[in-house]
Amino acid sequence: SAVISQKPSRDICQRGTSLTIQCQVDSQVTMMFWYRQQPGQSLTLIATANQGSEATYESGFVIDKFPISRPNLTFSTLTVSNMSPEDSSIYLCSATLAGGMREQYFGPGTRLTVT
Amino acid sequence: RKEVEQDPGPFNVPEGATVAFNCTYSNSASQSFFWYRQDCRKEPKLLMSVYSSGNEDGRFTAQLNRASQYISLLIRDSKLSDSATYLCVVNTAGGYQKVTFGIGTKLQVIP
Repeated sequence: SAVISQKPSRDICQRGTSLTIQCQVDSQVTMMFWYRQQPGQSLTLIATANQGSEATYESGFVIDKFPISRPNLTFSTLTVSNMSPEDSSIYLCSATLAGGMREQYFGPGTRLTVT
Repeated sequence: RKEVEQDPGPFNVPEGATVAFNCTYSNSASQSFFWYRQDCRKEPKLLMSVYSSGNEDGRFTAQLNRASQYISLLIRDSKLSDSATYLCVVNTAGGYQKVTFGIGTKLQVIP
């Protein structure tokens, strides 16, 4: 298994500002993902964080709004840029280990409130 | 049609009851399947993978029906601690892994 930590665990931000969320995994993983989960909703995949190259974004998400970095196999960041109240959500990082059926391990999430 | 569909519930069941959830998926190329459990205000955690032959882990049984494109989760002898949201997850593997989460089924076990 993998243990994933995220920082910050929560934040309250003003509209128009940006927040960078960090995700650290305790072992080398093959894939890392960023999700958003709004209250009462399921998880929506924002993007796959690729090591050393640009992230792969899902429909409806763009790099200018959600820039992602993954400088090595165990660390990634997600920035929520130019925030608006609609960005208030829980942001979750996840990772998969090599091989197997690729079950995902999740970080504890970052609860973001934009005022 | 949604890629992964679940009945959001809630399912309110008494302690000791048996409860079953289904999850349907639309992509016949889907290759791997999971059930995750998510407690309130917590991250999802893997409950069990779903194998073609079905699998059992204690009180939990998961099954896959490829012909009808659904997976199921059966919980026997429900405990209060089983109260949570159960998320169905479907992976479509290949050069790029696509992971789709269902909306989740909320279970409330009542004393």
